[in-house]
Amino acid sequence: DIQLTQSPSFLSASVGDRVTITCRASQGISSYLAWYQQKPGKAPKLLIYAASTLQSGVPSRFSGSRSGTEFTLTISSLQPEDFATYYCQQLNSYPITFGQGTRLEIK
Amino acid sequence: QVQLVDSGGGVVQPGRALRLSCAASGFTFGTNAMHWVRQAPGKGLEWVAVISYDGSIEYYADSVKGRFTISRDKSKNTLYLQMNSLSTEDTAVYYCARSPDLASCGGDCYSLDYWGQGTLVTVSS
Repeated sequence: DIQLTQSPSFLSASVGDRVTITCRASQGISSYLAWYQQKPGKAPKLLIYAASTLQSGVPSRFSGSRSGTEFTLTISSLQPEDFATYYCQQLNSYPITFGQGTRLEIK
Repeated sequence: QVQLVDSGGGVVQPGRALRLSCAASGFTFGTNAMHWVRQAPGKGLEWVAVISYDGSIEYYADSVKGRFTISRDKSKNTLYLQMNSLSTEDTAVYYCARSPDLASCGGDCYSLDYWGQGTLVTVSS
């Protein structure tokens, strides 16, 4: 199975900050990586697919990139509604796997 | 608009069975692969199973293989998850989710683009 390792697991930041979350795959997954945002008590929401393509309706302050087996999610200027937990997911092969999550909290 | 409504959760004793349902609307149900994903209390997301758009192919997580069965009824626009031999480790919120129709995005939109609201399954004696 492909393992995804997210870092950091916890991130404290302020409104207006630029933040980056990293997801490393244990083997090559091409660009079959998606990012999700989840708020407490809610279903996850798709932000980015194919490593760097923004889902329709998602604000442009969110972006994704890939370098080999390392993927990053960047939020350019944090807004109050961005404080949530973020997950990466690989869809290169079954079983599909998720990273362990990054909890983003207000400093 | 696309809508997925999860139902069927509840409290069940270890070793018993439960069937979850996911009612789909707002899109052509027969054109999308469908998934189940679960989340144990306070934990991360765990993918459970997928069924192809026509029901001919299924894949499962090792943790549920042989105990859970995913299925779909095109006539009812409904996805199911039959869960047998439940254990306390199966306690979680279960979400159904849709894969986009790859033909609509040039073939690279591998993701889960719409999710149900989730249904809680509690396995306890």
